Amino acid sequence: TQLLEQSPQFLSIQEGENLTVYCNSSSVFSSLQWYRQEPGEGPVLLVTVVTGGEVKKLKRLTFQFGDARKDSSLHITAAQPGDTGLYLCAGGENSGYALNFGKGTSLLVTP
Amino acid sequence: NAGVTQTPKFRVLKTGQSMTLLCAQDMNHEYMYWYRQDPGMGLRLIHYSVGEGTTAKGEVPDGYNVSRLKKQNFLLGLESAAPSQTSVYFCASTFGTPLFFGPGTRLTVL
Repeated sequence: TQLLEQSPQFLSIQEGENLTVYCNSSSVFSSLQWYRQEPGEGPVLLVTVVTGGEVKKLKRLTFQFGDARKDSSLHITAAQPGDTGLYLCAGGENSGYALNFGKGTSLLVTP
Repeated sequence: NAGVTQTPKFRVLKTGQSMTLLCAQDMNHEYMYWYRQDPGMGLRLIHYSVGEGTTAKGEVPDGYNVSRLKKQNFLLGLESAAPSQTSVYFCASTFGTPLFFGPGTRLTVL
């Protein structure tokens, strides 16, 4: 099993602050996905990154895939209370069908 | 389209009882998965299926069985429930990427 380490585990910030969440592994992934999960619901995909060094932007969210395809980061600019949730990274192997998930970063944004 | 649905939403079992969790998807996806989510542990893969009639073990398969008799359904069975199986169970399906998750089943084993 390819392990994905996410940090920090918990993050509590005020509205308007910036933050970065990290997802690291010793393994190479063919692709890496970021999901957001709200309480009582299943995770929902935010983005998929495939190419080493790739940067994708989704409004105030910026995702980066490491050059070696072993790590990724999620940066949120000017966080809002609506960004509150559990952020999960998940990696796909070059062969096989199962995604491995990190333990997640629980983000709380207070007004 | 309903997407991925799970039945039931909540269940309380006594130790040793059995039950089946049903997952259904209407997106004609080939791949289906069962994950469990526990506090501080993230999502862990129990079993998965790459097509009708196929199943495979994931990271934490012990104590669970699965069946994929129809392409749209993936069943997760607990033959003799244990308190360690108290968790939230998520089903997911996909063509390849991304995963589409159901709303989850919260199971408590007393």
